Amino acid sequence: EPEVTQTPSHQVTQMGQEVILRCVPISNHLYFYWYRQILGQKVEFLVSFYNNEISEKSEIFDDQFSVERPDGSNFTLKIRSTKLEDSAMYFCASRGDMGESALHFGNGTRLTVT
Amino acid sequence: KQEVTQIPAALSVPEGENLVLNCSFTDSAIYNLQWFRQDPGKGLTSLLLIQSSQREQTSGRLNASLDKSSGRSTLYIAASQPGDSATYLCAVTSRGNYQLIWGAGTKLIIKP
Repeated sequence: EPEVTQTPSHQVTQMGQEVILRCVPISNHLYFYWYRQILGQKVEFLVSFYNNEISEKSEIFDDQFSVERPDGSNFTLKIRSTKLEDSAMYFCASRGDMGESALHFGNGTRLTVT
Repeated sequence: KQEVTQIPAALSVPEGENLVLNCSFTDSAIYNLQWFRQDPGKGLTSLLLIQSSQREQTSGRLNASLDKSSGRSTLYIAASQPGDSATYLCAVTSRGNYQLIWGAGTKLIIKP
């Protein structure tokens, strides 16, 4: 069964450094998402992406964050200058259509900012 | 603003028991509701998806129901096994913004 893949599984970085989290969504999906989960807290929506542009973003997704689909397969989340509070599990997800189909998640990237 | 609540926050039962996990949401304008499983430090595995027009979905020992008018969903697990131990999350796709709004989860422990 097709799946969403994320790399790396764990990323450790120093505060102030830039990180890029990578995702390969399911190949025929059109809608892409990033969510994050701070340890012990709820999963939170960050951003949705469709047709090569951001369709929605949350208050969390400030100017430090950006997303890109550089080619036909990868979908990346960049954090320009990481803060301690960015430490979390970051999940990429994709779906085939807008609302009716299931959202498929990757296994996540655990980001630790020291 | 859509809010999703899951009760109980934690549940511990002996192996073999049938159990019910609850999820409630405040705004009935949803596309669908999904139940996920999350193992410690791991990703999110989709278990069941119920469309807003549906009443229930079944997969193996799992059965999820949806009562949209009352804003409730239940996940029924039959004949529980230690391997079912995990955190179970429900999430709704809200109409209008298509975002997935999450509950905090129920941490389930099945004792051998």
